[in-house]
Order: sequence, then structure tokens, then C-alpha cells
Amino acid sequence: AQRVTQPEKLLSVFKGAPVELKCNYSYSGSPELFWYVQYSRQRLQLLLRHISRESIKGFTADLNKGETSFHLKKPFAQEEDSAMYYCALGNFNKFYFGSGTKLNVKP
Amino acid sequence: DGGITQSPKYLFRKEGQNVTLSCEQNLNHDAMYWYRQDPGQGLRLIYYSQIVNDFQKGDIAEGYSVSREKKESFPLTVTSAQKNPTAFYLCASTPSLAGGNEQFFGPGTRLTVL
Repeated sequence: AQRVTQPEKLLSVFKGAPVELKCNYSYSGSPELFWYVQYSRQRLQLLLRHISRESIKGFTADLNKGETSFHLKKPFAQEEDSAMYYCALGNFNKFYFGSGTKLNVKP
Repeated sequence: DGGITQSPKYLFRKEGQNVTLSCEQNLNHDAMYWYRQDPGQGLRLIYYSQIVNDFQKGDIAEGYSVSREKKESFPLTVTSAQKNPTAFYLCASTPSLAGGNEQFFGPGTRLTVL
């Protein structure tokens, strides 16, 4: 069965510190993985997807099939990065979301 | 900020009453979804629809029903059979049936059953 695990409910870092939000998945095929972000009082929106291999707002995520992980990283956190982050796995047109990690970047 | 709209933003109902949540999109997307968001549990899929007049159960469909009579509309009915209906409900859509698509989310409806 497909499953997405985000082990940290809350992650607090100071501004300028590196940040890594963990995501592990279980899936028998070739996964499509995404990170979604929800800023305060805003809609849930796509941050990045693994097939694009892009960097958005300084965030990157590398798919590690051996470790079945898709951790989200940023070398220098900013206060505006404070938000709720969800890792998601896509199976054709069905999606499975992790429980989310709240990132708090302190000044 | 169009795209996907959900109404109402807040909804209060008495226990035992059915209630229907609205979801409309003007993005011409084929697939639409309903999720339930509870604290500490992330998003859980209730129902999804890939084309008009067709829909499938998600992981927590019991106590819910949907219809997809029009491409742009996917209303969700929370019935009296849903044991714990108080939650935040999110509607989403994706452009096509192909994989790898981004989901676009509505602003959500917070349902409180008294």
C-alpha cells in the first residue's frame, strides 16, 4: 500500500540555518513525488515536484529510491519560509499526503 | 484568485443533518478531489472524480457522497452517517488524467457539527 511518512510534526530553526524536512514513502512502482506548502491564511499550493528537478524559493528535494526518501532542503532558512509543508505521492491521478511538518523559522 | 472556489467558508450544522459543500472550478480540469484535513493527520482522500458522471471512493468515503454532473462542479454531501464530521474540507483539481500533474486547491470549508 502507498504511504507517505513525515516524522516531524514541528521543526524550529533560526533564520539563516539549514533546514531539512524529512519525507519517506512506500510505493511499489515509480513514484511521483511532490512537496506542497501552506502559508498562514493561504491555500495549499505546490512547492516543487521531483520530475522537474527544480529549485523553488531556494528549496530542493532529491528523490532517493534506495532510501525511499524525498527530503526537502534549504541551506539558509528565511522567516517567510515558516509554513506547513506536506509531502505527497502521486499514483496516476490519486494522491497520498503525509501528515505535514510545521516549519517555524525564528528571527 | 479564482480557479477553484468553495462555499461556504464556515458551516455549522446540527447533528443528524445532511449538509452539502460546494466546489466549483473554472480551470477546465478533468479530475476533481475532496480531502478532509484534521490536525496531525494531513489530508485524507474522501472521493475523487476523473471525468463527468464518474467518481471513485477514496480512503475515507463512509458517510459521504458526491456527484459530478458537470465538469466544473463536484459537490460533497456529508451525511448523518458520518460519525465525526467536524473537520476542514478541501477540494482540489488536476488538469488531466496523465500522471505527474499538480493539484490546485480551493480555500476550504470548515464544517462544525453541533
